[in-house]
Amino acid sequence: GDSVTQMEGPVTLSEEAFLTINCTYTATGYPSLFWYVQYPGEGLQLLLKATKADDKGSNKGFEATYRKETTSFHLEKGSVQVSDSAVYFCALSNRGPSKLTFGTGTRLQVTL
Amino acid sequence: DAGVIQSPRHEVTEMGQEVTLRCKPISGHNSLFWYRQTMMRGLELLIYFNNNVPIDDSGMPEDRFSAKMPNASFSTLKIQPSEPRDSAVYFCASSQDRVDNQPQHFGDGTRLSIL
Repeated sequence: GDSVTQMEGPVTLSEEAFLTINCTYTATGYPSLFWYVQYPGEGLQLLLKATKADDKGSNKGFEATYRKETTSFHLEKGSVQVSDSAVYFCALSNRGPSKLTFGTGTRLQVTL
Repeated sequence: DAGVIQSPRHEVTEMGQEVTLRCKPISGHNSLFWYRQTMMRGLELLIYFNNNVPIDDSGMPEDRFSAKMPNASFSTLKIQPSEPRDSAVYFCASSQDRVDNQPQHFGDGTRLSIL
């Protein structure tokens, strides 16, 4: 079946540091890939998505590129802020009803 | 635009009591999902509906859990009787499936504590 593997957290960075959160997937066919973010006390929010190979999703300074050859969708940001502290979830969806397969989430803590 | 609305936001009750969680999806969305989130098990899909019909309930932990979607604008998740191990944050999400690969939109969750 489909699965998503994320790097374990927590990830602790200083403000303005470069961020990478690794995500790899296993799926049949051509899934769409998503990053969701969960701030404390809130539900998950869509951060960005990519629907086909080599697509780059971007939002709020975050980027991720759909790499079919390496089955990866790593999340990056050039300069993190304290307000980026949250839990980040990688997810995939295959064709049909938008049932998502989530990774386990990676907690990011950004300090001054 | 109104997002997914869940109620109550917090629920504290004693074991053995019936608990009902409510969800109003985004208008026009035709898929609805119930999730449970705990520190130990992460985010788990319990059940999802498409056009008000349950499609996959394989994630429902046991017969104490039941979910209904009587119409396109309302769903409930019921636990009867509740147990302390049911304590978790329960999320409802909805999506529009008439176009492929639309994202899910989550509510803010119900934090459930069973004493």
